[in-house]
Formats: sequence, structure tokens, C-alpha cells
Amino acid sequence: QSALAQPASVSGSPGQSITMSCTGTSSDIGSYDLVSWYQQHPGKAPKLMIYEASKRPSGVSDRFSGSKSGNTASLTISGLQAEDEADYYCCSYAGSSTYVFGTGTKVTVL
Amino acid sequence: QVQLVESGGGVVQPGRSLRLSCVASGFSFNNYGMHWVRQAPGKGLEWVAVIFYDGSKKYYVDSVKGRFTISRDNSKNTLYLQMNSLRVEDTAMYYCARDLSPLIVGGTDGMGVWGQGTTVTVSS
Repeated sequence: QSALAQPASVSGSPGQSITMSCTGTSSDIGSYDLVSWYQQHPGKAPKLMIYEASKRPSGVSDRFSGSKSGNTASLTISGLQAEDEADYYCCSYAGSSTYVFGTGTKVTVL
Repeated sequence: QVQLVESGGGVVQPGRSLRLSCVASGFSFNNYGMHWVRQAPGKGLEWVAVIFYDGSKKYYVDSVKGRFTISRDNSKNTLYLQMNSLRVEDTAMYYCARDLSPLIVGGTDGMGVWGQGTTVTVSS
């Protein structure tokens, strides 16, 4: 099972919106809506930001939104803030109770 | 509060074994599926294994099949990862994580609670 493809880096200025992609195959993202997104600050554990492709857990800012189309999922951060600078990983169910993470995207706030 | 605390990491030679533990608190452990996820130094996240909430089913990433065993003791609110025949490429931070929603069979909706991780270094 190969890792899902994510851009290595995305950047934006405070207040702007950015979108990062997560590309899989018809065996993972294309077959299931079980896509999740995680934020990870340096030296910290990951934090769930989006589940089931577009739902936000309680306590996560509504500046974070997710979507999915075909074999690609996307995470959008609107009103970019300094605290959003972190690594972001997508994850998809891949069938037979297995999972695959993305390669990760480093978000830089300019 | 809801918490997961891993332990058991350390430095071990290739071919040796190690057992990781993850103690849960603040929620009904026996209602949630649990995962192990690892992260090699400077690298991305890699899903390792899952065990259903009742321990009935276990699944692994191909690279650890036959070497790692996930298990749980619901009476002790504890998740385990027995790692045998360790390789240099198993060197990583190992996190335990909980399903977001209870009583899931099949695919998780997300990993909603994470521990702080325990470091495993495999080196001669």
C-alpha cells in the first residue's frame, strides 16, 4: 500500500486561504468517505482536524474544512493564522481494516 | 480527562524484541478500537496496526505482519504492541490512538485521541 500523495509544502500570508490536496487511488480514497486529516506541530502528537472527509470534531475551528472528489481529498484552511503553521497528514481507509497515511504537507505562514 | 499514555520504548539490537504498552483513562476503553501509528525520525506517519474494540479482529501493515502483534486487556484499560524480530527500519516514535467513535467495526471514522508517543530505536 503506497502512501497517499500530498504536496511537500504550502504557504500563505495571515488571513489568506490555502488548500492542500491528498491523492490516492480507487482502492482507498476513491472507494470510501473515511478520509481524515491530522495536524502535527513539531515534537507533538498528531491532532484530528477532519473526519469522514468533511466533518469537524468538536473543538476544531471552523476555519478548517475538508472535501473529497474521486480519488482526491482536500483540506482548506481559511483565515490563515500563525498557529496553523504545522505539518498536515491525510489518512484514508484502504479496505480490509487497513489504513494509509499521506506523505505530509508542511504549512508555512509567511 | 481522556488520555493515552505509552511506555516501553527503548534502544534494542536488531533481531530482538520489545513490548509497548498504552494505558487509557477517562473513557470506556472496551468500547473503542485502538491503533498503533509510527513515525520514523524526520518522516511521515505510518499506520501500523488496529484492534477492534472487543479484541475480535486485528489487522497490520504488510511490513510488520508476522513480526508484530497487537493486543488489549480491557480489564486493565491497556493496549499492547509486541514487536519481535526488530529491524533498523522499525526505528520510530510509536503512538497509540483511539477511534473517534465507539463500537466501530470496519473502517474508523478517524483517530480522535492520541498518546504522546514512545521512542523505539533499533541499532547495533
